[in-house]
Amino acid sequence: AQKITQTQPGMFVQEKEAVTLDCTYDTSDPSYGLFWYKQPSSGEMIFLIYQGSYDQQNATEGRYSLNFQKARKSANLVISASQLGDSAMYFCAMRLYGNNRLAFGKGNQVVVIP
Amino acid sequence: DSGVTQTPKHLITATGQRVTLRCSPRSGDLSVYWYQQSLDQGLQFLIQYYNGEERAKGNILERFSAQQFPDLHSELNLSSLELGDSALYFCASSTSGRARNNEQFFGPGTRLTVL
Repeated sequence: AQKITQTQPGMFVQEKEAVTLDCTYDTSDPSYGLFWYKQPSSGEMIFLIYQGSYDQQNATEGRYSLNFQKARKSANLVISASQLGDSAMYFCAMRLYGNNRLAFGKGNQVVVIP
Repeated sequence: DSGVTQTPKHLITATGQRVTLRCSPRSGDLSVYWYQQSLDQGLQFLIQYYNGEERAKGNILERFSAQQFPDLHSELNLSSLELGDSALYFCASSTSGRARNNEQFFGPGTRLTVL
């Protein structure tokens, strides 16, 4: 079964600073995708970035980048130049190819302070 | 705005009651997924439908059922409600579910409170 681990306590980040959110996963399947979602206080789930297990390069989407270390089974999210609007819960998720369900971690709380 | 709509936004009901949550996927999306987010269990996959047929089942209780209609909207039925069913219920949709980077677009959720 898939397992996603996010164990960092809530984080306070200074505006304009970078923040790294840790995510480790466990699967014996070689084919999978990793996702990060943002959930602001309003509750909606917003897709941020995707990394495939066979992708050679780390994914980037604007201020978001994914530090993918396959051997360590980690997929850390890096948010550069934090903004006040980045304050939210961030969830790491995994999907096995051929299995459409997303398995989520418990999330990381980020608060950006001016 | 993801393009996925869910109604109602909030639902307050009593134990033992039955409720129906509704989801309309993004235009063109054939797959619909239901997830439950609770404080103790986190975000859990419940069930997936693809073009009207059940495709995958997760941690869905027997008291819960779902269906996807010909117009592709989906309903999640929760019956004999218990206090522990209080949660945020998300619907998500995707195109086919077969692409490797098949992104799931989430609706705004329905917050269910069972009193």
